[in-house]
Amino acid sequence: GQQLNQSPQSMFIQEGEDVSMNCTSSSIFNTWLWYKQDPGEGPVLLIALYKAGELTSNGRLTAQFGITRKDSFLNISASIPSDVGIYFCAGQLTYNTDKLIFGTGTRLQVFP
Amino acid sequence: ETGVTQSPTHLIKTRGQQVTLRCSSQSGHNTVSWYQQALGQGPQFIFQYYREEENGRGNFPPRFSGLQFPNYSSELNVNALELDDSALYLCASSQPGQGEETQYFGPGTRLLVL
Repeated sequence: GQQLNQSPQSMFIQEGEDVSMNCTSSSIFNTWLWYKQDPGEGPVLLIALYKAGELTSNGRLTAQFGITRKDSFLNISASIPSDVGIYFCAGQLTYNTDKLIFGTGTRLQVFP
Repeated sequence: ETGVTQSPTHLIKTRGQQVTLRCSSQSGHNTVSWYQQALGQGPQFIFQYYREEENGRGNFPPRFSGLQFPNYSSELNVNALELDDSALYLCASSQPGQGEETQYFGPGTRLLVL
């Protein structure tokens, strides 16, 4: 099935460091979403982006909808141990309930 | 507000058997989407149900089928199970027509096919 290109595949960082991950697509998306998934759980929505160029924050998380509508990035500032998990980007080709196309995931490990 | 719930949490089946997974949508949501997540992969869209009708389907064979009930809960049925069907099955609910809708996921059902 189709998946978005997400990088890096994994990151090992020290507590307090900033993190950046991104997602690219060959298709234009109308919506970009970022989810976090803990082991054995479903993805939890972190940030939703609906307009090209939009920059949105949620606490220490900041995400941007690329101006070309083919990419998005997620930054996490001052990482803490509970940030550990797998982060997925997801895009929608049309608005509202169109299927989500997911990235391949970025596994984040935070060391104290 | 009640979130998305799924049952069972875990299931073990053998090849050739049939399985039914269940999902209750978040309160107020009338659309349910199902995804399959293989180990180490991102979720893959199976199909979506809106007002009890299939509303889009991914690249999955016909032995994957579904239902949505008047209360918007949903079932995913898989016939003639294969080893590759082993995965985490996720459902997500949403409510179209209210602006910037997003999909909220349940905890998933982990299916192991032996």
